[in-house]
Amino acid sequence: DQQVKQNSPSLSVQEGRISILNCDYTNSMFDYFLWYKKYPAEGPTFLISISSIKDKNEDGRFTVFLNKSAKHLSLHIVPSQPGDSAVYFCAARDSGANNLFFGTGTRLTVIP
Amino acid sequence: ETGVTQTPRHLVMGMTNKKSLKCEQHLGHNAMYWYKQSAKKPLELMFVYSLEERVENNSVPSRFSPECPNSSHLFLHLHTLQPEDSALYLCASSQGTGRNEQYFGPGTRLTVT
Repeated sequence: DQQVKQNSPSLSVQEGRISILNCDYTNSMFDYFLWYKKYPAEGPTFLISISSIKDKNEDGRFTVFLNKSAKHLSLHIVPSQPGDSAVYFCAARDSGANNLFFGTGTRLTVIP
Repeated sequence: ETGVTQTPRHLVMGMTNKKSLKCEQHLGHNAMYWYKQSAKKPLELMFVYSLEERVENNSVPSRFSPECPNSSHLFLHLHTLQPEDSALYLCASSQGTGRNEQYFGPGTRLTVT
């Protein structure tokens, strides 16, 4: 059973608007969450992370929000740019474990 | 070369062949990973090496055999694979296996015929 879920396989947004990518998880032992971005023919690249002791982390145009009670996190990109078009993966780590659990990804298309 | 490199980028092999995937990291990291990504499925961790010792093996069939001769190189030896093993195989590295971000290579697209 998948412990990290990204229920939207794709999302299209106009350039300059906000992109919101969502991720849900089931394991309450997860204490660290990451977002990765993947372009075609490249491996995933790390984008931003958040620890479970925080509810928000911001880095430039990218902000990740964590709602532990709902077991939900989201990535906000504002303003969205065409170069942001990629597949975005949510990942979570069990405290003390070596394993990262990934979602299936959301393909973001930013329309110029 | 910078980052994490993987060779070959594409591989087609028959079920009776033996082949190897190679990963090299140029980041000075001490942990390396093999992941499998099948179509429409999340990345699945296969193996973790920390300081050249295997620390995790997520119930991977024995037809996949990893080798980590040093902290910069990681191999995945393949033999008698099945068509369902066709997938994208990704290598990653990190400094330690805790909360440090993993850096991924571009992957090897494997097709088993």
